[in-house]
Amino acid sequence: AQSVAQPEDQVNVAEGNPLTVKCTYSVSGNPYLFWYVQYPNRGLQFLLKYITGDNLVKGSYGFEAEFNKSQTSFHLKKPSALVSDSALYFCAVRENAGNMLTFGGGTRLMVKP
Amino acid sequence: NAGVMQNPRHLVRRRGQEARLRCSPMKGHSHVYWYRQLPEEGLKFMVYLQKENIIDESGMPKERFSAEFPKEGPSILRIQQVVRGDSAAYFCASSPLEGREQYFGPGTRLTVT
Repeated sequence: AQSVAQPEDQVNVAEGNPLTVKCTYSVSGNPYLFWYVQYPNRGLQFLLKYITGDNLVKGSYGFEAEFNKSQTSFHLKKPSALVSDSALYFCAVRENAGNMLTFGGGTRLMVKP
Repeated sequence: NAGVMQNPRHLVRRRGQEARLRCSPMKGHSHVYWYRQLPEEGLKFMVYLQKENIIDESGMPKERFSAEFPKEGPSILRIQQVVRGDSAAYFCASSPLEGREQYFGPGTRLTVT
């Protein structure tokens, strides 16, 4: 069975500072990893994915994520946070041959001016 | 190119009534997924369908819930005899091929009174 853990319910960061949102995963096969962002009363927007290749993946809005196989982690990062980045972030995993995404519980990012 | 469409956006039902949630995938997408999000929780997979076929319904409750994706028209998630515990946001996602990233609709927020 596959699972995802987002250990922080909320992350607070000052505007202009770097941010990290943590994610660890567990799958029996090769992982496909995703980050989505959800704004209030909206659906999920795709940010980035890791399938294979470079461990550092760049996505939308200046976000990037680093795949670390030994630590089974896929942390989301951004060098300089914006107030408009404040939202709920979800990490998700899928086994390479599977269909369903398994989501973490979400991390609320609060960027203060 | 319109995104994934869901309607209604908000649905209020009394206990015992039926709820019908509709999802029109993105143009060119033939794979549809339904997820449920309880308040302050991540999304949980319910069912994966292709045109006229249910591929994986491992996340669907055994009773009262059903889903279909007919040859013509939207995918329908149907909940019979709703109970208060069915109150949640229901998200639909679509992808063009099996294994590709999923694009989410804005969701239907079901409230059972």
